[in-house]
Amino acid sequence: GESVGLHLPTLSVQEGDNSIINCAYSNSASDYFIWYKQESGKGPQFIIDIRSNMDKRQGQRVTVLLNKTVKHLSLQIAATQPGDSAVYFCAETHSGSRLTFGEGTQLTVNP
Amino acid sequence: NAGVMQNPRHLVRRRGQEARLRCSPMKGHSHVYWYRQLPEEGLKFMVYLQKENIIDESGMPKERFSAEFPKEGPSILRIQQVVRGDSAAYFCASSPRTEREPQHFGDGTRLSIL
Repeated sequence: GESVGLHLPTLSVQEGDNSIINCAYSNSASDYFIWYKQESGKGPQFIIDIRSNMDKRQGQRVTVLLNKTVKHLSLQIAATQPGDSAVYFCAETHSGSRLTFGEGTQLTVNP
Repeated sequence: NAGVMQNPRHLVRRRGQEARLRCSPMKGHSHVYWYRQLPEEGLKFMVYLQKENIIDESGMPKERFSAEFPKEGPSILRIQQVVRGDSAAYFCASSPRTEREPQHFGDGTRLSIL
């Protein structure tokens, strides 16, 4: 079946550094992608999204890059802060309904 | 502007009992989704509903599980005759009428089966 996977299960960075979290997807029909942040005991929190007709989108301290040729998605976090420590999931959909989630990357920010 | 509200936050049941999980979507949202998350795993889609209609239930087990989103009131995920394997976090998400808008999640119900 179609799946969305992440390259690294854990990522540890120093406070102030930039973080890059990667995601591979296999459904070439996917046309909408979302990054979520999940803190312990809470639900996924929307960070940023991107549609398949774009290859880059920027938010506040975050940038999402989409490479449809190799089916790759990345989340860049600038000047990472301790409050950014969480599990990050990418999710994709091709019908605008059900989301397919990756397995998650645990980001740890060291002070 | 309240977000997606789920209750209870924690639910403990014995094997064979029934579990009812409730979800109130964000104001103005008419699409509701249920997902299940096992420890240290991603969320897995279960069911997608609009008011009084089940749109996609392909991720929900055929037996013991049911979902509804009535005209009035919250969406309900019902699990009958619970087994140990049903222990998980169940998350509800909602989105506006327009598709391809981000789904916003509640903080989930942690279901524990004794």
